[in-house]
Amino acid sequence: DSGVTQTPKHLITATGQRVTLRCSPRSGDLSVYWYQQSLDQGLQFLIQYYNGEERAKGNILERFSAQQFPDLHSELNLSSLELGDSALYFCASSVYGPPPGEQYFGPGTRLTVT
Amino acid sequence: KNEVEQSPQNLTAQEGEFITINCSYSVGISALHWLQQHPGGGIVSLFMLSSGKKKHGRLIATINIQEKHSSLHITASHPRDSAVYICAVSPYKGYGGSQGNLIFGKGTKLSVKP
Repeated sequence: DSGVTQTPKHLITATGQRVTLRCSPRSGDLSVYWYQQSLDQGLQFLIQYYNGEERAKGNILERFSAQQFPDLHSELNLSSLELGDSALYFCASSVYGPPPGEQYFGPGTRLTVT
Repeated sequence: KNEVEQSPQNLTAQEGEFITINCSYSVGISALHWLQQHPGGGIVSLFMLSSGKKKHGRLIATINIQEKHSSLHITASHPRDSAVYICAVSPYKGYGGSQGNLIFGKGTKLSVKP
């Protein structure tokens, strides 16, 4: 158990819908990272938050947004869902922003868009 | 060309064999990570290293910064080692504005037969 929790574990929804994925980092970790794992693209970095502020952006679509709350949990919002958004979404946490530290991964949320 | 390349893509071994997985990268990095992903999908961080060599039990990771190459070795392999092993790098702070996010290889699927 990494200490990082993600909810829900599984999510099935229809195209055009909006969903929210939730992540609680390990106690004491200030950084939260969101990653997407799809069959064709592998693991890709989406976005990072550090102590409530956006720190870095990767291959995140404009239809996706995220935030980190004062209690350090984070939410990833996916809207206008398409079939291609079906993937495993992981969050990870680490103690620091820069320099990078070891990252601890949550169990992931499996999103299926039908 | 991917920034992180792993070889081989697939590897089948007999129990007890010595296993090596290779990773080459083309960007400047502050650290390299080896991750393990089990069939259920969960990701576990095995090593984070920026120089030299690290050892945990039967696992050994080495990195050569000058050659931009890392290897993961498994001694006395066991069927429970069957998983996907993923190499990932933390690029330098100045690269693409990143602050600790990871760039991933495609992974090596290891199957150890009893």
